[in-house]
Amino acid sequence: GNSVTQMEGPVTLSEEAFLTINCTYTATGYPSLFWYVQYPGEGLQLLLKATKADDKGSNKGFEATYRKETTSFHLEKGSVQVSDSAVYFCALKAGRGNLFFGTGTRLTVIP
Amino acid sequence: GAGVSQTPSNKVTEKGKYVELRCDPISGHTALYWYRQSLGQGPEFLIYFQGTGAADDSGLPNDRFFAVRPEGSVSTLKIQRTERGDSAVYLCASSLTGDRANTGELFFGEGSRLTVL
Repeated sequence: GNSVTQMEGPVTLSEEAFLTINCTYTATGYPSLFWYVQYPGEGLQLLLKATKADDKGSNKGFEATYRKETTSFHLEKGSVQVSDSAVYFCALKAGRGNLFFGTGTRLTVIP
Repeated sequence: GAGVSQTPSNKVTEKGKYVELRCDPISGHTALYWYRQSLGQGPEFLIYFQGTGAADDSGLPNDRFFAVRPEGSVSTLKIQRTERGDSAVYLCASSLTGDRANTGELFFGEGSRLTVL
């Protein structure tokens, strides 16, 4: 079956610290992989995506590389800001219309 | 509209009552999805429409849950005989296409928070 295992939070970092949020997946076929973000009081929105092995998705300073050999899609950012405080969800889409989400990781960045 | 709109934003009801939650997707989006998000969890898939038809309803937990999209735009999620365990945020999302475009981005509404007392 399809599933996503995501690093549990919450994660608290100081501004300008390095961020990694781990995500591994199980899927049939060749899934597309996504990171969605939910800022306080807002709906889920796409942060970045990768559609095939070795692709790197990037947006707003965040990056994630689709690693088929380790079935991973870890999210990284070199220098976090207070405005990055949110809940981050790893997700996969494997052929059918729906996304499978991880449980989410709450990030708090303190000044 | 500019984004996916969901109403009501909050709904409090009593156990056993009937509830309807509405979703107005982005204009022109043919695919529409319903998800349920419990506290501290990720969104859980319920049902997916391609146009007017339910392409995949495998996530509906039981026959108390039903969804329609009669004209291929607005969708209503209906919950009969609500139970306390139905309390969650119900999310709606839409996209330009469904599973033929495996890379399609989903656009989410802010959700309808349902509380069953």
